[in-house]
Amino acid sequence: GESVGLHLPTLSVQEGDNSIINCAYSNSASDYFIWYKQESGKGPQFIIDIRSNMDKRQGQRVTVLLNKTVKHLSLQIAATQPGDSAVYFCAEIQRGTDKLIFGTGTRLQVFP
Amino acid sequence: NAGVMQNPRHLVRRRGQEARLRCSPMKGHSHVYWYRQLPEEGLKFMVYLQKENIIDESGMPKERFSAEFPKEGPSILRIQQVVRGDSAAYFCASSQLADEQYFGPGTRLTVT
Repeated sequence: GESVGLHLPTLSVQEGDNSIINCAYSNSASDYFIWYKQESGKGPQFIIDIRSNMDKRQGQRVTVLLNKTVKHLSLQIAATQPGDSAVYFCAEIQRGTDKLIFGTGTRLQVFP
Repeated sequence: NAGVMQNPRHLVRRRGQEARLRCSPMKGHSHVYWYRQLPEEGLKFMVYLQKENIIDESGMPKERFSAEFPKEGPSILRIQQVVRGDSAAYFCASSQLADEQYFGPGTRLTVT
């Protein structure tokens, strides 16, 4: 289930289950969104992106959904594996700028 | 094609000293971004540079912090007279176009 810890919210899932990580973004002027995975001691790693003219985009085992009406982004990971354990951040780029604005992050824990 | 390189990976400085963090972008990338990350938080944008130009420094503290990306050589983030509050992980990202940003492994600065 999902819980809020002292710092990052944590999502615990069993290996093989699907994971859904949610994110609320801040600015309706944002037109480009990215999900990053960050493992302990490493830099963020690009997972998948989506532009504001799309509602859904699929990659290998991952799907990103964008709901512009409520400014909500989600990342779905199919058949979650232990190697998926990490902190996941959504990020947005506002139209006319080039800087990424990161969300709070969610820690995904996968147990056998 | 090597990824984004950052050095040093770990840097310890005493209060009042200077810290210099280096970033070599991916080959062919001319856009460089610096971000700071505190423990259990998302990355915060600091500055965006292209060769010899600062494009957006809206996230840089007004004092003690400076950044450059010379015609030749790596991008440098310089922090003068460091204080304990500067302790953080500093990440550099690069892009070819101002969209998909690839991150380096980061420099972890500890101020004692």
